[in-house]
Amino acid sequence: AQSVTQLGSHVSVSEGALVLLRCNYSSSVPPYLFWYVQYPNQGLQLLLKYTSAATLVKGINGFEAEFKKSETSFHLTKPSAHMSDAAEYFCAVSLYSSASKIIFGSGTRLSIRP
Amino acid sequence: GAGVSQSPSNKVTEKGKDVELRCDPISGHTALYWYRQSLGQGLEFLIYFQGNSAPDKSGLPSDRFSAERTGGSVSTLTIQRTQQEDSAVYLCASSLVTGRGSGANVLTFGAGSRLTVL
Repeated sequence: AQSVTQLGSHVSVSEGALVLLRCNYSSSVPPYLFWYVQYPNQGLQLLLKYTSAATLVKGINGFEAEFKKSETSFHLTKPSAHMSDAAEYFCAVSLYSSASKIIFGSGTRLSIRP
Repeated sequence: GAGVSQSPSNKVTEKGKDVELRCDPISGHTALYWYRQSLGQGLEFLIYFQGNSAPDKSGLPSDRFSAERTGGSVSTLTIQRTQQEDSAVYLCASSLVTGRGSGANVLTFGAGSRLTVL
């Protein structure tokens, strides 16, 4: 069975500062990994995904994430935060060995301080 | 349709009543998921349909919850004898491809059905 753990339910950074949202996964087989974002009063949308092609994945709005198998991590980063990045971010995992359900983490709310 | 459509968008019901929530996925999407989003609880997996395979019901919290998908398209999530703890936003998502491949498992979400049980 697969699972994800997101460390920190709430992260607050200053505008222009580095954003780091942590995600660790558990999977018995190589996983697909995703980050989704939910802006206030909007639906969830895909930010980026890892499908084993490259360990460093670039997504929309300047975000990227690095798959580290040795650390079972898939942390999300952005070099310089913008006010518009304030949202809830969800890490998710599924198994690519077969059609599989997708399990989400509990989410991290990102706040940006002016 | 152009996106995943869910209805009703809002539902207020009394404790003990049954409710039905509907999801109309993107045409041609073979996989359909139901999740529950509660404050501070993230997205809780409920059930997963893939093509004609038996659904994965491992996330349904109790036997009051059930779901079906008719003709590989529209899905209905039914909650019987609702309780106050069932209050949440119920999200449906669909996916074109699951398993291997570059497009695999990318979910398109609906706007959700907000359920309030009084």
